[in-house]
Amino acid sequence: RKEVEQDPGPFNVPEGATVAFNCTYSNSASQSFFWYRQDCRKEPKLLMSVYSSGNEDGRFTAQLNRASQYISLLIRDSKLSDSATYLCVVINTGGFKTIFGAGTRLFVKA
Amino acid sequence: GAGVSQTPSNKVTEKGKYVELRCDPISGHTALYWYRQSLGRGPEFLIYFQGTGAADDSGLPNDRFFAVRPEGSVSTLKIQRTERGDSAVYLCASSPGSGRGTGELFFGEGSRLTVL
Repeated sequence: RKEVEQDPGPFNVPEGATVAFNCTYSNSASQSFFWYRQDCRKEPKLLMSVYSSGNEDGRFTAQLNRASQYISLLIRDSKLSDSATYLCVVINTGGFKTIFGAGTRLFVKA
Repeated sequence: GAGVSQTPSNKVTEKGKYVELRCDPISGHTALYWYRQSLGRGPEFLIYFQGTGAADDSGLPNDRFFAVRPEGSVSTLKIQRTERGDSAVYLCASSPGSGRGTGELFFGEGSRLTVL
């Protein structure tokens, strides 16, 4: 089983739509969680951290369910510029080994 | 420079050759990571340095791969006897280090390796 699993997509949505991505992780002792964004042929960049209480940054909302070992990202009012690959990221306890999921591709259409 | 710098940006080599990829992290960042990314896949963890020492090298695929960071700053990823399956983008990232910062990784633009 992979340490971090994501639905690869692609998700094809119209502008203005709400879209949700899910991610599961296998190590119950994982301590920190993030969503990164990666544009085509570019390096990954941090989108947002994920906290147990859930957190929101503008149109983006991230949730963590430790009991189910599940992370989600919700994007409201999708923009064309949201088209990218979204990577679920987990840091394991005991160090800073940072594991990336395979990514979920999003295409937002006009 | 302000960001993570990787050289070369592109490297084409022949099967069986030796390759070195260099990473210059953000000044003051003690943690440095190497990842490998193939088309359509997420970054695959290779090795993580805290200072000069390799804190976790469990992602190195085999003994043809080796990385060093002798002075705790610049790191070199070395690949011996390259194989076609080594073709990928090799990403380097740095972060402030254990106990500091948010855990965010700052990536370079990557070195695209093509083995013919």
